[in-house]
Amino acid sequence: AQSVAQPEDQVNVAEGNPLTVKCTYSVSGNPYLFWYVQYPNRGLQFLLKYITGDNLVKGSYGFEAEFNKSQTSFHLKKPSALVSDSALYFCAVTWSGGRRALTFGSGTRLQVQP
Amino acid sequence: GAVVSQHPSRVICKSGTSVKIECRSLDFQATTMFWYRQFPKQSLMLMATSNEGSKATYEQGVEKDKFLINHASLTLSTLTVTSAHPEDSSFYICSAADGGIVQYFGPGTRLTVT
Repeated sequence: AQSVAQPEDQVNVAEGNPLTVKCTYSVSGNPYLFWYVQYPNRGLQFLLKYITGDNLVKGSYGFEAEFNKSQTSFHLKKPSALVSDSALYFCAVTWSGGRRALTFGSGTRLQVQP
Repeated sequence: GAVVSQHPSRVICKSGTSVKIECRSLDFQATTMFWYRQFPKQSLMLMATSNEGSKATYEQGVEKDKFLINHASLTLSTLTVTSAHPEDSSFYICSAADGGIVQYFGPGTRLTVT
């Protein structure tokens, strides 16, 4: 079975500071990892994915994530946070032998203070 | 590109009635569509996976006779909640994949059963 853990319910950061949203995963085979963002009363927007290759993945809106196989982590990062980044962030996983259904983490609310 | 729509965005129905939610991929053909349910301040829980022209695969614990899923074309999937009850009130989100690994999500439908 596959699972995702987002250990922080909320992350607070000041505008202009770097941000990190943590994610760890567990899968049977090679992981396919995703980050999505959800704004209030809206669906999820795709930010970035890791399938294979370079461990540092760059995505939309200046976000990036680092795949760490030994630590089974896929933390989301941004060098300089914006107030408009405030939203709910979900990490999700599937795996190479699966049927592509995603398992989501519990979500982390990012609050960027001006 | 990769836009997914859902209709309606909100629906209120009386207990015992049925309600249909549509999910459309607007600018791509969706070989696979997924239906999720999201409770307030919680993560997304996969309900079922549907492939065009075949029966949906339901997750454990999801009643297939209650949540009817039809994926009749490469751009349309429907979820019908039959004999709805207040405990079925939730935020229902669909996603679609074009054969690739990324799922694109609709904006969600908020169902309230009175």
